[in-house]
This record gives sequence, structure tokens and C-alpha cells, in this order.
Amino acid sequence: KAGVTQTPRYLIKTRGQQVTLSCSPISGHRSVSWYQQTPGQGLQFLFEYFSETQRNKGNFPGRFSGRQFSNSRSEMNVSTLELGDSALYLCASSKRGTEAETQYFGPGTRLLVL
Amino acid sequence: AQTVTQSQPEMSVQEAETVTLSCTYDTSENNYYLFWYKQPPSRQMILVIRQEAYKQQNATENRFSVNFQKAAKSFSLKISDSQLGDTAMYFCAFMSSGQGGSEKLVFGKGTKLTVNP
Repeated sequence: KAGVTQTPRYLIKTRGQQVTLSCSPISGHRSVSWYQQTPGQGLQFLFEYFSETQRNKGNFPGRFSGRQFSNSRSEMNVSTLELGDSALYLCASSKRGTEAETQYFGPGTRLLVL
Repeated sequence: AQTVTQSQPEMSVQEAETVTLSCTYDTSENNYYLFWYKQPPSRQMILVIRQEAYKQQNATENRFSVNFQKAAKSFSLKISDSQLGDTAMYFCAFMSSGQGGSEKLVFGKGTKLTVNP
């Protein structure tokens, strides 16, 4: 079974631009969560989507948004990029049953904002 | 809010030896899940082991085992017969009980483990 895939793997943008990252979950997984990883702040939860609905959102400004499609694929968007948005963005998927499910991570998208 | 603390920023171990990574957490919940993930230089986050708080038995996965002390809110990872491929950042993570709620992982800052030949 294929793992979680993320595209693109690397991105270079300039301040003020916007960016869209994509995540395809493991087949059969309906929940997708996004995390930001930086050397200073570590791993921080951005948001979770399940059945095309945002279930929870972390403490990030409104410039960070996301969505989930009917096939469970998810995208996250960052508008008006700032230098501090440079990070590794990780996507994780889970089955999301009646019990908390293990999250499986993709390889990440490394974003550099210049 | 839950917090996860990993007090050892870096550790090293000789190949074939045993090493224990520490993790403590703070929560007022009774039902939750704990995880150890490893992140090698490739940056791919890989699940190592998972523990349900309602289970008294410590989880094991081949050379990896945990010592879960619920009352002390401690969740350490023991790696036996360390291998060079175990060199990675190790993250301890907490998740509240699902039951329809959000599946949000709260991570510690990580422990960088180096296995020396």
C-alpha cells in the first residue's frame, strides 16, 4: 500500500507570495493533519481535516488555511508569505475510527521563503 | 493544554548497546495515547511505537520497548541492541483520546540519538 505523498517536495518563494501544498493520504485513510516543523518552535499542529471538514486548528494566523476534497486529498495554503514561514510542512493521515488512530507521515514539503 | 517534555536534547550509544530516552507529559485526562516517532536525516517521520493509556502492559516492538508510568506521567523508550540505522531524532508525542474529537499530536522537542560504531 502506498504511503502518504506530498507535493512538491521543495519550494522557494519570496515574501508576499502565496503557496499551496498538497497531500495525498494512504488509501482508506479519511483524516489528514498538517504540522509545521522549524528549528526554533519544533513540531506544531496546524489543522486536521476529516470528511472535508476542519476538525481542529492550531494557533496559527489566518494566512494559513486548508481544505480537504471528497477523495480525502488535502491542500494547505499560506498567503502573504513571511520569512518565518520557512519550514518543513508535514502531512499525516489516519483511518480515524472510533478510537484515536495512529498518524502516518509523508516525506514533507520543505518551504524556503526569501 | 497538554505538554510533552524531553529532557535529553542529545544522546549517544555504542552499537549493540542499550539506550533509554526519557519523556514526561502533563495532562489532566485519563484516556490518551502516547507515541514515539523517529526522524532520520531524510526527515521522514516514522512511527516507532504506540501506547494506549488504559493498557497497563508496556508496548513492545522488536528491539523497541517503553516504560509507561501513568501516575508519574512518564513514557520512556528503550532501544536494545542499537544499530547504526537507529541514528535519528526521536520525538515523544501525546494525543487525547479520539472518540470523535480531534486527532492532534502534541510533540516534545526531540532527542537526537547517535549510534556510534
